[in-house]
Amino acid sequence: NAGVTQTPKFRILKIGQSMTLQCTQDMNHNYMYWYRQDPGMGLKLIYYSVGAGITDKGEVPNGYNVSRSTTEDFPLRLELAAPSQTSVYFCASSYLDRGRHEQYFGPGTRLTVT
Amino acid sequence: QQQVKQSPQSLIVQKGGISIINCAYENTAFDYFPWYQQFPGKGPALLIAIRPDVSEKKEGRFTISFNKSAKQFSLHIMDSQPGDSATYFCAASEIKAAGNKLTFGGGTRVLVKP
Repeated sequence: NAGVTQTPKFRILKIGQSMTLQCTQDMNHNYMYWYRQDPGMGLKLIYYSVGAGITDKGEVPNGYNVSRSTTEDFPLRLELAAPSQTSVYFCASSYLDRGRHEQYFGPGTRLTVT
Repeated sequence: QQQVKQSPQSLIVQKGGISIINCAYENTAFDYFPWYQQFPGKGPALLIAIRPDVSEKKEGRFTISFNKSAKQFSLHIMDSQPGDSATYFCAASEIKAAGNKLTFGGGTRVLVKP
């Protein structure tokens, strides 16, 4: 199992550009999440999904959109990039069954908006 | 606002010493308290977790102490090793809430000196 994979690893965007951060998991997890981590800070939840076709906002959703058409994929879309979106983005997945609650994280995408 | 406050922001410990990281939460509905370990350039990985029905959980050199009445929990790293040098995050969530969304503390950067 590859676990949670994210692409790209690094990206530099100009203000106003758009891009999609890709996330794929091969563990058949029903729950998936997007977090951002600003320098020296903890992770903040952007969006999450409890299954294909179902998404909901987290703590900091403004400026982002998501979709979940399959169990495996959970892309994060930035429509009009702003310097405030410079951050490291982590995708995670989990399933809630038989008392297991661990979230598995991908390696992250480092995004710079200039 | 659901918050998890973590302290200290950083600590330096000698090899063989004890590292102690503290967290406090506000939401009494939280019922799952994991600790994540993050190495530079990597995503967080679950280290150890506790439910509020126990006051302590130990796994190898890592111990969580939980004080429900004070709404506090802490991570103790015994016999600290240079390989333990990493950033540690506490987190909390409501397991039964849709999505098991984690609220993270701000992180503690631990440096273990040989």
